[in-house]
Amino acid sequence: RKEVEQDPGPFNVPEGATVAFNCTYSNSASQSFFWYRQDCRKEPKLLMSVYSSGNEDGRFTAQLNRASQYISLLIRDSKLSDSATYLCVDARGNGGYQKVTFGTGTKLQVIP
Amino acid sequence: DAGITQSPRHKVTETGTPVTLRCHQTENHRYMYWYRQDPGHGLRLIHYSYGVKDTDKGEVSDGYSVSRSKTEDFLLTLESATSSQTSVYFCAISESRDGYTFGSGTRLTVV
Repeated sequence: RKEVEQDPGPFNVPEGATVAFNCTYSNSASQSFFWYRQDCRKEPKLLMSVYSSGNEDGRFTAQLNRASQYISLLIRDSKLSDSATYLCVDARGNGGYQKVTFGTGTKLQVIP
Repeated sequence: DAGITQSPRHKVTETGTPVTLRCHQTENHRYMYWYRQDPGHGLRLIHYSYGVKDTDKGEVSDGYSVSRSKTEDFLLTLESATSSQTSVYFCAISESRDGYTFGSGTRLTVV
């Protein structure tokens, strides 16, 4: 089983729709979680951290469910510019270095 | 955007030749990483550094070596390039537990 699993998609949604992605992680020792966004042929960029209490940034909401070992990303009022691949990340470790595992990504295509 | 640059951006090389990729940062971050990204595998860690001359292996380190002689520079060397090393290589930096900043990537083709 992969350490971090995501549905590769693509998720094709109309502009203005709400879309949600889930990501499961296998290691219960994972401590930190993130969502990154990657545009085609570009580098990944940090979208948001995922806290135990959840995190909201504008149209984006991230949630963590430790009991079921998954994190989620909700995008409201989808824009064409939201089209990208979304990478789920978990991290664990003590001290300064963390072992970070990237999911393979979920592709979102927002359609006019 | 954070100051992190990779060079070259694109490279085509022949099998068996050594290749060095460079990552340069102006953020004075302690941690630097080299990843490769391939379809179906996502980002996989090759090597990382936690300080000058302090490096360690990642999950796919065979055939690669690294060096960090200055805080700002992290070099990745393919000792003898093979076709399986055709990939997109990303450098990343971090200082705290607040996530990574990636460079723009190097597209390497080994023919």
